[in-house]
Amino acid sequence: AQSVTQLDSQVPVFEEAPVELRCNYSSSVSVYLFWYVQYPNQGLQLLLKYLSGSTLVKGINGFEAEFNKSQTSFHLRKPSVHISDTAEYFCAVSDGGATNKLIFGTGTLLAVQP
Amino acid sequence: DAGVIQSPRHEVTEMGQEVTLRCKPISGHDYLFWYRQTMMRGLELLIYFNNNVPIDDSGMPEDRFSAKMPNASFSTLKIQPSEPRDSAVYFCASSLALYGYTFGSGTRLTVV
Repeated sequence: AQSVTQLDSQVPVFEEAPVELRCNYSSSVSVYLFWYVQYPNQGLQLLLKYLSGSTLVKGINGFEAEFNKSQTSFHLRKPSVHISDTAEYFCAVSDGGATNKLIFGTGTLLAVQP
Repeated sequence: DAGVIQSPRHEVTEMGQEVTLRCKPISGHDYLFWYRQTMMRGLELLIYFNNNVPIDDSGMPEDRFSAKMPNASFSTLKIQPSEPRDSAVYFCASSLALYGYTFGSGTRLTVV
């Protein structure tokens, strides 16, 4: 069975500093990986996805993530955060071809301080 | 494209009452998912459909929960009777194969 672990429930960071949100997954089959962002009182919005090809994936709002198969990780990074990046970030895994079912991590709250 | 549309945005009901949540997926999407979000449990997949057919309902917590998708443009999630522990935000999402889900804005359900 697939699972996703987001070890950090909250990451405080100062504005304009770099940030990394960690995500590790477990799966016995090929995986497809996603990062979603949820702003307060809103639904989830797709940030980026890895399906195949280049292991470095670029998404919206200046975020990027790197797929590392040997470490079973898919960490999300941004070189310089803004106050407006304050939100909950969810990592998710899917086996794509079999069920297209997304399994979400528990989320990481990115709290950007001035 | 109006995105995934959920109604109502907020619902307050008394324990024991029937609650119906509605979802209109994006036209052309062949998958539809219902999720529940709570502080304690995070995002839980309740049920999902492929081409209007329920594929996996193993996440539906109890027989009080039921979901239907009578056609490609409409789905409902019903709770009967509702209980306070059903209070949560319920999300509907749709997708076309592997292209990532599009979520609705959610329905915040409060059962008092």
